[in-house]
Amino acid sequence: NAGVTQTPKFQVLKTGQSMTLQCAQDMNHNSMYWYRQDPGMGLRLIYYSASEGTTDKGEVPNGYNVSRLNKREFSLRLESAAPSQTSVYFCASSYYRTSGTSTDTQYFGPGTRLTVL
Amino acid sequence: GIQVEQSPPDLILQEGANSTLRCNFSDSVNNLQWFHQNPWGQLINLFYIPSGTKQNGRLSATTVATERYSLLYISSSQTTDSGVYFCAVSGGSQGNLIFGKGTKLSVKP
Repeated sequence: NAGVTQTPKFQVLKTGQSMTLQCAQDMNHNSMYWYRQDPGMGLRLIYYSASEGTTDKGEVPNGYNVSRLNKREFSLRLESAAPSQTSVYFCASSYYRTSGTSTDTQYFGPGTRLTVL
Repeated sequence: GIQVEQSPPDLILQEGANSTLRCNFSDSVNNLQWFHQNPWGQLINLFYIPSGTKQNGRLSATTVATERYSLLYISSSQTTDSGVYFCAVSGGSQGNLIFGKGTKLSVKP
């Protein structure tokens, strides 16, 4: 099992450019998440997808869009990149039990380091 | 929303020393995880521990859910233990984690 994979690992953009970060998991998880980590801070949730076909905003959604392409894949798009979006982006997945409202361990990908000039 | 506070923010140890990291949270949770972020930025799962006690080698963790705190114990520390330790919790209906700001651990040889 590869677990959670992310592409690309590194990216440099100019202000105003667009790009899509890709994430895939092979653990048959139903829930997937996108977080960002800024220097000296913990991770903050951008968007999540509790199940295939649904997406919801997290704490810091402005400037981003997401697509849950299928059960395995969850992409994050920056339509017009800004320097404030310079960060490390992590994708994660977990199994969420709808009965009892609890989740199992959340597993994280290796991250994408994005710089916007 | 739930607030997560970790202490201490920084910790410097000599190799072989023991340490205790603390995580306080402001509301009831249905998920609590400890992570180690290594110097290369990778997040490594240490424990899934919404309640109770678990041990894995030199590391152990205890969560007292009724008192809203969790402790991570590192015994006989090694230089490879260096990095940032994060506590993250979830109390909502969708499972997304709320992270503390982390404890930066430096283990000196």
